[in-house]
Amino acid sequence: EDKVVQSPLSLVVHEGDTVTLNCSYEVTNFRSLLWYKQEKKAPTFLFMLTSSGIEKKSGRLSSILDKKELFSILNITATQTGDSAIYLCAVEGDTDKLIFGTGTRLQVFP
Amino acid sequence: GAGVSQSPRYKVAKRGQDVALRCDPISGHVSLFWYQQALGQGPEFLTYFQNEAQLDKSGLPSDRFFAERPEGSVSTLKIQRTQQEDSAVYLCASSLHRGTGYTFGSGTRLTVV
Repeated sequence: EDKVVQSPLSLVVHEGDTVTLNCSYEVTNFRSLLWYKQEKKAPTFLFMLTSSGIEKKSGRLSSILDKKELFSILNITATQTGDSAIYLCAVEGDTDKLIFGTGTRLQVFP
Repeated sequence: GAGVSQSPRYKVAKRGQDVALRCDPISGHVSLFWYQQALGQGPEFLTYFQNEAQLDKSGLPSDRFFAERPEGSVSTLKIQRTQQEDSAVYLCASSLHRGTGYTFGSGTRLTVV
């Protein structure tokens, strides 16, 4: 059965800290792994990863995929209070649906 | 429109009532998905359309749930005889075609009392 496991479930840090969020997966015929940020209701797209070892960066956020070990990490450097959100990891396999993890709730305090 | 639009934003239903949730995808997006997100959980797949064809409805939890997209654009998710366990945020997402990423709407928060 396809599944996605995220860790930690919850993380509390101070502004300026660096955090690493983990996502491991099992999926039939992997196509892509996606990271989303969910602040209120709408998940907003961060990254789509399809190839191993190629880091994607957007400002203070970066992500990388390891298709051999079946995991991805999302790094956030110099965290700000605006980074407080739930971070969702999802994978796409040979069906057209996304399989989501339960998310990591990040709280950044000043 | 510029994004995926869902209505209503909030819906309170009495147990046993029927509800209809609407999704307006991004214009031209072929694929449309419905997800259900319970409190503290990640979104769970309900159903998927490619244009007007419902290609996968394996995630619909019971025959009380029904979705349609008759003209290949707007979609409606209908829940009959709502139960308390139906309380969740219902998210709609669309994509241009397979593998191009998904844009989510803000969701409808359904509370069944």
